[in-house]
Amino acid sequence: AQKVTQAQTEISVVEKEDVTLDCVYETRDTTYYLFWYKQPPSGELVFLIRRNSFDEQNEISGRYSWNFQKSTSSFNFTITASQVVDSAVYFCANRPTQGGSEKLVFGKGTKLTVNP
Amino acid sequence: DTGVSQNPRHKITKRGQNVTFRCDPISEHNRLYWYRQTLGQGPEFLTYFQNEAQLEKSRLLSDRFSAERPKGSFSTLEIQRTEQGDSAMYLCASSLARTRDRDTQYFGPGTRLTVL
Repeated sequence: AQKVTQAQTEISVVEKEDVTLDCVYETRDTTYYLFWYKQPPSGELVFLIRRNSFDEQNEISGRYSWNFQKSTSSFNFTITASQVVDSAVYFCANRPTQGGSEKLVFGKGTKLTVNP
Repeated sequence: DTGVSQNPRHKITKRGQNVTFRCDPISEHNRLYWYRQTLGQGPEFLTYFQNEAQLEKSRLLSDRFSAERPKGSFSTLEIQRTEQGDSAMYLCASSLARTRDRDTQYFGPGTRLTVL
């Protein structure tokens, strides 16, 4: 069965600090996708990134970067030079690429507060 | 560019009443998903459709819940004889299968249900 663990319930930083959100996943699938979504106070889940399990290359998009380590089953998310607008709940999610199930399995989320 | 839309955004009802929510997916998206999110938790999968066909249902979807997507476009989620435990945010997502981006689910703003 799939499981996603986000051990950090809440993180609070001061603007311009770097912050890393941890995600550890469990799966029996040989191939799978990993995702990060952002949920601002408005409530809508905003897609940030999708990573296929066979692609372990790290990715950078502006101030965002993702570190995928298959050996430790982790897919961590770093925000560089955080801004107040980054305040949100961030969810990591997993789903298999095979087997027919289309459901995303989410972690419980990490609430990030960026203070001015 | 129109994203996933959901109506109503908020619904307050008394225990025992029936409620119905609507989801309009991104135009041309052939897959539509329903999730439920309670406070402090990540979204949990309920069901999904490919076109008109309901292909997967979670055990969370009790007999009181029914979802339809009659013409393969919008979908409705009905809850009969609501209970206080049904209070949650109901999220809808859509995706387009058979493209390179097929596994990315894009979410709507959700419908927040409060059962008194």
